[in-house]
This record gives sequence, structure tokens and C-alpha cells, in this order.
Amino acid sequence: RKEVEQDPGPFNVPEGATVAFNCTYSNSASQSFFWYRQDCRKEPKLLMSVYSSGNEDGRFTAQLNRASQYISLLIRDSKLSDSATYLCVVMAGSARQLTFGSGTQLTVLP
Amino acid sequence: GAVVSQHPSRVICKSGTSVKIECRSLDFQATTMFWYRQFPKQSLMLMATSNEGSKATYEQGVEKDKFLINHASLTLSTLTVTSAHPEDSSFYICSATIAGANTGELFFGEGSRLTVL
Repeated sequence: RKEVEQDPGPFNVPEGATVAFNCTYSNSASQSFFWYRQDCRKEPKLLMSVYSSGNEDGRFTAQLNRASQYISLLIRDSKLSDSATYLCVVMAGSARQLTFGSGTQLTVLP
Repeated sequence: GAVVSQHPSRVICKSGTSVKIECRSLDFQATTMFWYRQFPKQSLMLMATSNEGSKATYEQGVEKDKFLINHASLTLSTLTVTSAHPEDSSFYICSATIAGANTGELFFGEGSRLTVL
């Protein structure tokens, strides 16, 4: 079983749609959680951290369920520019212990 | 935000040659840098942790004699792929955290796409 698992997609949604991604992790000692965004052939960039109480940043909402060991990302009112691969990232301790999911590909269609 | 620059962005080389990739933190000091490899449609896999002034820490399965890492200053780490083979073709990405911060935010270089013929 992979340490961090994501549905690879692809998710193809129309502009304005709401889309949700889930991610599960196996290491119960994981302490910090993040969503990164990676555009095609580019480096990943931090989208948002995920806090225990859930957090929102504009159209993006992240939630954490420690008991079930999964995190989620909700994107509302999808824009064309949201098209990218979304990486679930889990940290057990130091930055060396960051584990990346293989990503979920999103394409927002006009 | 912190900027990490990686060079070259793309390199094509012949089998058996060596390729050096540079990773620089432009506006901050990075005592630790990380080197990842990413194959198409797969996750980033940590290859090694590069520590300024000391030997790199390699992940299991990564050959330290093949992937030479040098972190001679607080702003520069280099990865040299020695005697490259076609199976080394991949996207290599470096990253760094700001010294003293443990937020988990990594600042990535732009990546280097290596193609070995």
C-alpha cells in the first residue's frame, strides 16, 4: 500500500463546477498536511496547508480527518486556470519526511 | 516568497556521460536542500537530503556513487548524474526550506528534465 494515495483522475469538469479530491495516508504519526499544485512540466507550488479544524482560502477548502487518515480539497466555482495536478503531501516530522502523493489531474473545460 | 533557481532546465546527453544540475537559493540561506526525481504520472520521490558542509543523506535504493551531491555553500547544491543511462531520464527537482523554519513549506526549483540517449 502506498504511504499517500490519491485518485489519479483525470477529473474533467466544466467551468464553474465544484470538484473534490480525497487523499489517504497510512502513517498515523503524520503531523502536517499540505496540498501542492503542479502544472505540466513545472515544479510543485504550495497551494495551502491543511489544519485540523479545516481551512478555507477563497474558493479552496481543505479538511483533515485524522481518525480516518484522509484529507480533502474542495474547489468551488472552478476556473480554467485551476487545471493542474494537485498533490497531497504529508509530513511525519521534518521536511525530509515529506511524502508526496502521485497527484490528481484536473482539467477545467470551457 | 523564497526563490530557488535550478539549472539547466533541460539537458540531453549521451549514455555514459555525466551531467551536473545546480540548485541555488537566491534570496535566503538553505542549510538543507532536497533532491527529488519524478517519472511521468508518478509522485516526487526523495533521492537525497543535501546538507551544507557535510555529506548528503541518501534514500534507500539511491546509489550515492552514481548521484553525487555537493552542498558547498549555503546557497548552492549540485547533483551530478554520473555515467548516465537511458533509465536515468527523468525530471529532477530540488527544493529547500528556509533555515530555522519547520513549516513544511518547500520552495522548489524549476526542475531539470534529463534525457539520456
